[in-house]
Amino acid sequence: GAGVSQTPSNKVTEKGKYVELRCDPISGHTALYWYRQSLGQGPEFLIYFQGTGAADDSGLPNDRFFAVRPEGSVSTLKIQRTERGDSAVYLCASSGSSGGYNEQFFGPGTRLTVL
Amino acid sequence: AQSVTQLDSQVPVFEEAPVELRCNYSSSVSVYLFWYVQYPNQGLQLLLKYLSGSTLVKGINGFEAEFNKSQTSFHLRKPSVHISDTAEYFCAVSRLIQGAQKLVFGQGTRLTINP
Repeated sequence: GAGVSQTPSNKVTEKGKYVELRCDPISGHTALYWYRQSLGQGPEFLIYFQGTGAADDSGLPNDRFFAVRPEGSVSTLKIQRTERGDSAVYLCASSGSSGGYNEQFFGPGTRLTVL
Repeated sequence: AQSVTQLDSQVPVFEEAPVELRCNYSSSVSVYLFWYVQYPNQGLQLLLKYLSGSTLVKGINGFEAEFNKSQTSFHLRKPSVHISDTAEYFCAVSRLIQGAQKLVFGQGTRLTINP
């Protein structure tokens, strides 16, 4: 079946603009994660959804970042008033939610460049 | 809090030579341990994982890793590398907390295979 998809693959924007990044998880996966990977670094956790609700948003760097998952499937990461420091690859992952370990499957990422 | 240290940012080796990528972690409680691979312009792919049981785990593409609790290490090894193994490798830890399995990644090791 289809894996996790993310759109757009690349996004170039100007400082101060608003951007939306989309994630389509694997069908049936109730858990969804967003991570951010800055240049030369490993991915860092941003937010976790279980179904429609954000169960853990402790990794969001500040209130310019917000994410939604209104129907428990597709998720959108929203960044207001973008800054050059927001430039990174934004990764989405989804998993099942059975008890115990569930493998996270990653999308290819969206490369965001803020000029 | 958990953390992961990958001791080498870059590892160059010759084709068909053995390789070891080092990973140490810090955690006060039991964790799951992972190695992910990221090929150029692709998403993260799970190589192998340690959840419990045997400390020697085997993964895809001939890779294996050994969990050493006393040394808090999870080094990745391959006895003979191929050109196609050129990629970025990430060590990660996670715990299951209230259904969430946040991954904490190291900074990555770039493996370069020379002919």
